[in-house]
Amino acid sequence: DSGVTQTPKHLITATGQRVTLRCSPRSGDLSVYWYQQSLDQGLQFLIQYYNGEERAKGNILERFSAQQFPDLHSELNLSSLELGDSALYFCASSVAVTSGGLNIQYFGAGTRLSVL
Amino acid sequence: GQNIDQPTEMTATEGAIVQINCTYQTSGFNGLFWYQQHAGEAPTFLSYNVLDGLEEKGRFSSFLSRSKGYSYLLLKELQMKDSASYLCAAYSGTYKYIFGTGTRLKVLA
Repeated sequence: DSGVTQTPKHLITATGQRVTLRCSPRSGDLSVYWYQQSLDQGLQFLIQYYNGEERAKGNILERFSAQQFPDLHSELNLSSLELGDSALYFCASSVAVTSGGLNIQYFGAGTRLSVL
Repeated sequence: GQNIDQPTEMTATEGAIVQINCTYQTSGFNGLFWYQQHAGEAPTFLSYNVLDGLEEKGRFSSFLSRSKGYSYLLLKELQMKDSASYLCAAYSGTYKYIFGTGTRLKVLA
């Protein structure tokens, strides 16, 4: 158990709908990362938050948004869902190994999203 | 551009040694990570390298050559439970991590 909690584990929804995925980081970790993993695809970095502030953005679609709350939990909102959004969505929290942002990431169990 | 290349699949025998290679091209580079991911599960951290050379952690070792943009993960005394995907990830700086598509390792009895 990594200590990172993601809910729900599974989500089935229809095209055009909106969903919210939730992530609680490990106790004491200030950073949260969101990744998308489609079948046979690598982990695609979406966005990172640090202590409530957006720190880095990857290839996140405009239909997707995220935020990190004062209690450090984070939510990823996916709207106007398309079939291609079906994937595993992972959240990770991290501990720094250098001052330059190099972090070991601890991943949650993921949310499997199926868009029908 | 940003690119990470790993072999898609490898097969090895229980008790053997296997080397999984990773080459990377990133616009910045500050470190290389290896993660293990069992099917349908979360990636778990194995090892990282910042400087050139070999880092050893029990049955797992990771090597980095920054000048060649190359890393490998060495797994010794393979066990059946080592059957998993192994993900190579480069830290490009500015808090972004680029992951490869992973190498699926099958360990045969």
